[in-house]
Amino acid sequence: GDSVTQMEGPVTLSEEAFLTINCTYTATGYPSLFWYVQYPGEGLQLLLKATKADDKGSNKGFEATYRKETTSFHLEKGSVQVSDSAVYFCALSDQGGSEKLVFGKGMKLTVNP
Amino acid sequence: EAGVAQSPRYKIIEKRQSVAFWCNPISGHATLYWYQQILGQGPKLLIQFQNNGVVDDSQLPKDRFSAERLKGVDSTLKIQPAKLEDSAVYLCASTSLDGKNDEQFFGPGTRLTVL
Repeated sequence: GDSVTQMEGPVTLSEEAFLTINCTYTATGYPSLFWYVQYPGEGLQLLLKATKADDKGSNKGFEATYRKETTSFHLEKGSVQVSDSAVYFCALSDQGGSEKLVFGKGMKLTVNP
Repeated sequence: EAGVAQSPRYKIIEKRQSVAFWCNPISGHATLYWYQQILGQGPKLLIQFQNNGVVDDSQLPKDRFSAERLKGVDSTLKIQPAKLEDSAVYLCASTSLDGKNDEQFFGPGTRLTVL
């Protein structure tokens, strides 16, 4: 079945550091890809998404590009802030099925001032 | 616009007891999902409703878990009897009518501890 493998943490960075969180997927079709974020004490919320190959999703300074050839959707940010401290989940949605989300295990990021 | 509401936020029970969770999706959202998130893992879909019909319940442990969405709006998820391994956060999410590539909006979750 479909699956998502993402870099596991926890990871601690200093403010203004560069962030990359690796994510690769396995899917039989052509899924949509997502990054969700869970801030402390809050629910999951969509950070960005891409629905087809070579699409780039971006939001709040974060970017990720849908790479079909490497089945990857790595999340990047050039300069993290303390407010980016959260758990980040990579996920996919099977376009041909029920549109359920299949999540990776999540990665906890802590950014120190 | 009000978000997805869930209650209770926390629940502690002993094994073999029963428990129920409630979810009220965003108004007008026809598709509703229940996910189970075990500590250290990503959420896993338990059941998906489209209006009041079940679309996918392939990963729902039907010997102990049940869910309903009788009027196509709010939903309840029940566990009876609970096991230790059911300790998790139960997330409800909803999305708009067609569900294709639409954002899923998540509630705050119910944290269940089974002792």
